[in-house]
Amino acid sequence: QKEVEQNSGPLSVPEGAIASLNCTYSDRGSQSFFWYRQYSGKSPELIMFIYSNGDKEDGRFTAQLNKASQYVSLLIRDSQPSDSATYLCAVIVMRGGSNYKLTFGKGTLLTVNP
Amino acid sequence: KAGVTQTPRYLIKTRGQQVTLSCSPISGHRSVSWYQQTPGQGLQFLFEYFSETQRNKGNFPGRFSGRQFSNSRSEMNVSTLELGDSALYLCASTDIQETQYFGPGTRLLVL
Repeated sequence: QKEVEQNSGPLSVPEGAIASLNCTYSDRGSQSFFWYRQYSGKSPELIMFIYSNGDKEDGRFTAQLNKASQYVSLLIRDSQPSDSATYLCAVIVMRGGSNYKLTFGKGTLLTVNP
Repeated sequence: KAGVTQTPRYLIKTRGQQVTLSCSPISGHRSVSWYQQTPGQGLQFLFEYFSETQRNKGNFPGRFSGRQFSNSRSEMNVSTLELGDSALYLCASTDIQETQYFGPGTRLLVL
């Protein structure tokens, strides 16, 4: 089982719709969860992080975490063509002391159609 | 604050050569991580340095090495380049909450 799994997509939504991106992880010890956006040819940029179960909202973005089911999702409301990018899910597992492991999923390609 | 900087941005090398990439983290960040990104494998963790010491390491061969200086700047070196080393190499600077911020990357092409 892969440590962090994402549907590679492409996920295609019309402009103005809600885009839902999902990520599952295998290690129950995972503690911190991140969503990055990566435009083609660019480096990943942090969108949100979430540590606790439940929802965290930031503008049009909402991250949802369910540790019992081991999944984290990202909702994008009122999707815009400029949201078209690959979205990377990343998970941190602490290994004791300052030792930790950050693992990325392979990303989901989102296309927002005008 | 200035972001993460990486040099050079683009590099072309031939098989068998070696290459050194540089990364300057965000001011105040003491941890630097390196990643290799390819279309097929996605983002793969190379290693992480904290206070001049390698703290974490991924599953790459010994041809990939790194170091960190007292000012937190980091370098990674790849010796005996192979065609498969062609990739985008990303450096990430980590804050106290273990949140990583990426630099623009160095695109390496091995011919």
